[in-house]
Amino acid sequence: EDQVTQSPEALRLQEGESSSLNCSYTVSGLRGLFWYRQDPGKGPEFLFTLYSAGEEKEKERLKATLTKKESFLHITAPKPEDSATYLCAVQEGGTSYGKLTFGQGTILTVHP
Amino acid sequence: DARVTQTPRHKVTEMGQEVTMRCQPILGHNTVFWYRQTMMQGLELLAYFRNRAPLDDSGMPKDRFSAEMPDATLATLKIQPSEPRDSAVYFCASARDGNYGYTFGSGTRLTVV
Repeated sequence: EDQVTQSPEALRLQEGESSSLNCSYTVSGLRGLFWYRQDPGKGPEFLFTLYSAGEEKEKERLKATLTKKESFLHITAPKPEDSATYLCAVQEGGTSYGKLTFGQGTILTVHP
Repeated sequence: DARVTQTPRHKVTEMGQEVTMRCQPILGHNTVFWYRQTMMQGLELLAYFRNRAPLDDSGMPKDRFSAEMPDATLATLKIQPSEPRDSAVYFCASARDGNYGYTFGSGTRLTVV
C-alpha cells in the first residue's frame, strides 16, 4: 500500500525566512510525485509534478526536488501570501490511471 | 481558466436523509475522481472513473455511498442514508488521461446533524 508522510505538520516562518517541507513516500514503482497548495475553503491547486530522482522544478519562490525516497519543497524568502497547506501526493506506476495517494499536508504560516 | 464545478458548495442535512453532490468536470478531461477530506484522515479517494466507466470505488462505504457518471459532463456522489460521520468536504477532480496533475473543484462541505 502506498504511503506518504509529510513533515513538519505545521511550520511558522517570518517573512523572508527560507525553509523546506519534507515528503517521504513508499510506493511500488513511482510514476509521479505531485505537490499541491490548498488555501482555506478551496480545493487543492496543482503546483508541480516530478517524475524521476534528481529532477527539480521551480515556480516563483518554490522549488521542488525529488530523490528515490523523498521530495522537498524549498521556499525561498517567503511572503505572507505563501501561507497555505502544502500537500504531497504519489502516483503509482502501472494501470492506476492517475490515482493519487496524498499525505496529511504541512500548514505553512508566514508572518510579516 | 477551465474549472471543475461542484454543487452545492454547502449542505446541511439531518441524519438519515439522502444527499446528492454533483460535479461538472473540465471539458475534454476523461478521468474523474471523488475525494473526501477531513482533519483526521486528510484526503481519501472514494471512487474514480475513466471514460465514464467506474475503475475503483473501494474507498466508499458500499452500503450507503454510490457514484455515477450519467454522461461526460456530470458526475454524482450520493449518500443514502447520511450519518454524522459523513460530515466532511467532498472534492471532485478531473484530469486528462489520468497521468497529469488533477484540477480540483472547490468542494461541497457536508454537515450531517
